[in-house]
Amino acid sequence: RKEVEQDPGPFNVPEGATVAFNCTYSNSASQSFFWYRQDCRKEPKLLMSVYSSGNEDGRFTAQLNRASQYISLLIRDSKLSDSATYLCVVNRPSGTYKYIFGTGTRLKVLA
Amino acid sequence: NAGVTQTPKFRVLKTGQSMTLLCAQDMNHEYMYWYRQDPGMGLRLIHYSVGEGTTAKGEVPDGYNVSRLKKQNFLLGLESAAPSQTSVYFCASTGGTYEQYFGPGTRLTVT
Repeated sequence: RKEVEQDPGPFNVPEGATVAFNCTYSNSASQSFFWYRQDCRKEPKLLMSVYSSGNEDGRFTAQLNRASQYISLLIRDSKLSDSATYLCVVNRPSGTYKYIFGTGTRLKVLA
Repeated sequence: NAGVTQTPKFRVLKTGQSMTLLCAQDMNHEYMYWYRQDPGMGLRLIHYSVGEGTTAKGEVPDGYNVSRLKKQNFLLGLESAAPSQTSVYFCASTGGTYEQYFGPGTRLTVT
């Protein structure tokens, strides 16, 4: 089993739709969780951190479920500009500042 | 504010040649990382550094060496390039918040 798993997609959704991605992680001792966005042939950029209490930033909501060991990302009112690959990132435990990246979920928002 | 910069952006090497990739950050971050990204595999950690003068191996260190002589710079060296090292290389840095900031990447082709 991979340490961090994501559905590769692609998720093809119409503009205005709501879409959700999940990411599962295997190490229950992981402490920090993030969603990054990566556009084609570009570097990953931080979208949002995922806190135990959940996190919302405009149209984006991230949730953490420690019991089931997954994090989720919800995008409401999808825009064409949301088309990208979304990477789930989990830190390795023990504060080593090392991270495990999922392979990403590709989203296409269609006009 | 430059953030994280990488040079060069593109490079083509012949098998057996050597080269050095330079990463520079202006955010006074202690932690710096070198990753490679290959299709379907996500980002994999090559080497990392937890401060000036320190380096450590990541998941895929073979064939690479690194140096962190100055806090703001992290160099990745390929001693004898192989076709398997054809990849996109990303440098990243982290401060105290665990969030990583990435450079724009170096696209390396080894023929």
